[in-house]
Amino acid sequence: QVQLQESGPGLVKPSQTLSLTCTVSGGSISDSFYWCWIRQPAGKGLEWIGHIYSSGSTSYSPSLKSRVTISADSSKNQFSLNLSSVTAADTAMYYCASAHWGWGSRGYYFYYMDVWGKGTTVTVSS
Amino acid sequence: SQELTQPPSLSVSPGQTASITCSGDKLGDKYAYWYQQRPGQSPVLVIYKDSERPSGIPERFSGSNSGNTATLTISGTQAIDEADYYCQAWDTTTAVFGGGTKLTVL
Repeated sequence: QVQLQESGPGLVKPSQTLSLTCTVSGGSISDSFYWCWIRQPAGKGLEWIGHIYSSGSTSYSPSLKSRVTISADSSKNQFSLNLSSVTAADTAMYYCASAHWGWGSRGYYFYYMDVWGKGTTVTVSS
Repeated sequence: SQELTQPPSLSVSPGQTASITCSGDKLGDKYAYWYQQRPGQSPVLVIYKDSERPSGIPERFSGSNSGNTATLTISGTQAIDEADYYCQAWDTTTAVFGGGTKLTVL
């Protein structure tokens, strides 16, 4: 069973870049999953940030696209999130997750996150 | 872009049935998923592809999706089911979550 672990600074100054890493164990980042980032401000709901596939293709939330970069390092079995020009609004718990995808029996595309990391709290403050 | 709407809260008595709805334009034309998040924990997938249960999820959890509404049903609700529940769908190139429903069992 794949396990995921987030790591990175817990405190980032405004206008700087937030950088987090997710380490994959029990599986390979080259497996046929999407590797995702999701965040959750305290007391609020989940927000999908984006994902990367083993081929290197990425997709991002339209609301964050101008500031987000997700990359992967197969040699370390890790994928990373960079979020630039952060403000207090980016303060949140950040989760990494793996997503299953494909085409279901109804002919619809499926995409769901079945393995999540424990999350890491990031605070944006000077 | 797809927006998913959930009631902010729902209260049920132990043993009763809880039905949590998720509304979105033509949601029934795509798959819906449900996640449970207990306080201080990561989300856990409880329903995928409208009505499938992952291994380890109790049979009292079920799901349906038709028209503009997906529904998560918890039969014989137990105290351990008290949590936040989020629906999710895929919209062209992005995943979208509902705002979440806080289920209280009292």
